[in-house]
Amino acid sequence: QVQLQQWGAGLLKPSETLSLTCAVYGGSFTTYYWNWIRQPPGKGLEWIGEINHSESTYYNPSLKSRVTISVDTSKNQFSLKLSSVTAADTAVYYCARVTGSGTYYFDYWGQGTLVTVSS
Amino acid sequence: QSALTQPRSVSGSPGQSVTISCTGTSSDVGGYNYVSWYQQHPGKAPKLIIYDVSKRPSGVPDRFSGSKTGNTASLTISGLQAEDEVDYYCCSYAGKYVLFGGGTKLTVL
Repeated sequence: QVQLQQWGAGLLKPSETLSLTCAVYGGSFTTYYWNWIRQPPGKGLEWIGEINHSESTYYNPSLKSRVTISVDTSKNQFSLKLSSVTAADTAVYYCARVTGSGTYYFDYWGQGTLVTVSS
Repeated sequence: QSALTQPRSVSGSPGQSVTISCTGTSSDVGGYNYVSWYQQHPGKAPKLIIYDVSKRPSGVPDRFSGSKTGNTASLTISGLQAEDEVDYYCCSYAGKYVLFGGGTKLTVL
């Protein structure tokens, strides 16, 4: 059974850096692509970016200048850093697995982490 | 890259069918057969219900079906049940990025 378990700081001040980590339990880590998605309170989903085991990354163009996604294959973990946060970055952040290679969908999700940016 | 367009809300009576549309462009929905749909209960992570336009994961009832014509994908829910009254999101692969729709709230009257 595949499980994604995420953690990180839930309260930040403006200009600080958001940092979240997602650990993957079960299944192959190197076969899939690993993503971050966020959802502001009461709003829709927004894709943040993706990394694979080879550390190839793709980012949402609107966030690209502030986002870094990294991977630690020795621990089956991947991480998100978002710099210079503002109130607009307040959201529930999810990590998720993508099954690629001839298809593309998010089949397993983390439990979500509410990150609030407030002075 | 703009979000995919979904109606903010749809409604239907128990037993009826409803269809939720998801409109994109030839660079996303129309360009790839990688449209997926997610069901989200309040306070929970989204759950995959349709992938590759029309395929259902194991365990998803066959009341849920997907299709695509041109730049518009659709999710149809037949035999509406009270438990279907939650939010639905479409998603499309678009090459080097991914787009979600704004979400649709389904009301079962």
